[in-house]
Amino acid sequence: DIQMTQSPSTLSASVGDRVTITCRASQSISSWLAWYQQKPGKAPKLLIYKASSLESGVPLRFSGSGSGTEFTLTISSLQPDDFATYYCQQYNSYSWTFGQGTKVEIK
Amino acid sequence: EVQLVESGGVVVQPGGSLRLSCAASGFTFDDHTMHWVRQAPGKALEWVSLISWDALDTYYADSVKGRFTISRDNSKNSLYLQMNSLRTEDTALYYCAKPPGDGYDWPLDYWGQGTLVTVSS
Repeated sequence: DIQMTQSPSTLSASVGDRVTITCRASQSISSWLAWYQQKPGKAPKLLIYKASSLESGVPLRFSGSGSGTEFTLTISSLQPDDFATYYCQQYNSYSWTFGQGTKVEIK
Repeated sequence: EVQLVESGGVVVQPGGSLRLSCAASGFTFDDHTMHWVRQAPGKALEWVSLISWDALDTYYADSVKGRFTISRDNSKNSLYLQMNSLRTEDTALYYCAKPPGDGYDWPLDYWGQGTLVTVSS
């Protein structure tokens, strides 16, 4: 199975900060990567698909990049609503896998 | 409006069985592959299984292969997960989720609110 490793596990930041989360795949997944945001007690929400495509309705401060084995999610200016846990997910193979999550906390 | 409503989660003893259901509405159910994803308390998301629109293809995570069976009834707009030989590590919130279309190269754009399965003696 393809393993997905996110870093950091926890990130402390302030409103207005630029935030970057990294996701590494154990083998190439081309651009078959998605990013999700999850808030406590809620279902995950799709933010980015195919590594860099913004899901409809998602604010433009979110962006994704990368291909192959290394990917990043960037929030250009962190807003109060963005404090949450973020997961990457590969959908390249028939055994999908998620990263372990990155919790973005208030500094 | 797309809605996915899971049900069937209860407390069950190790070794027991359970069937989860997901009622879908607001979209053409048989145009879409469907998935189950779970999340143990305080842990990361874990993909469990997927089923093609016509139920001809199914795939499972290694952790549930041979114990869980995914199925669907397109006439009832419903997705199911039959869970046998349950283990304590299967304790989780189980989500039903859909991609934007058929096929396997899609992310998950709609999720239900989940149903809680607790495996405990």
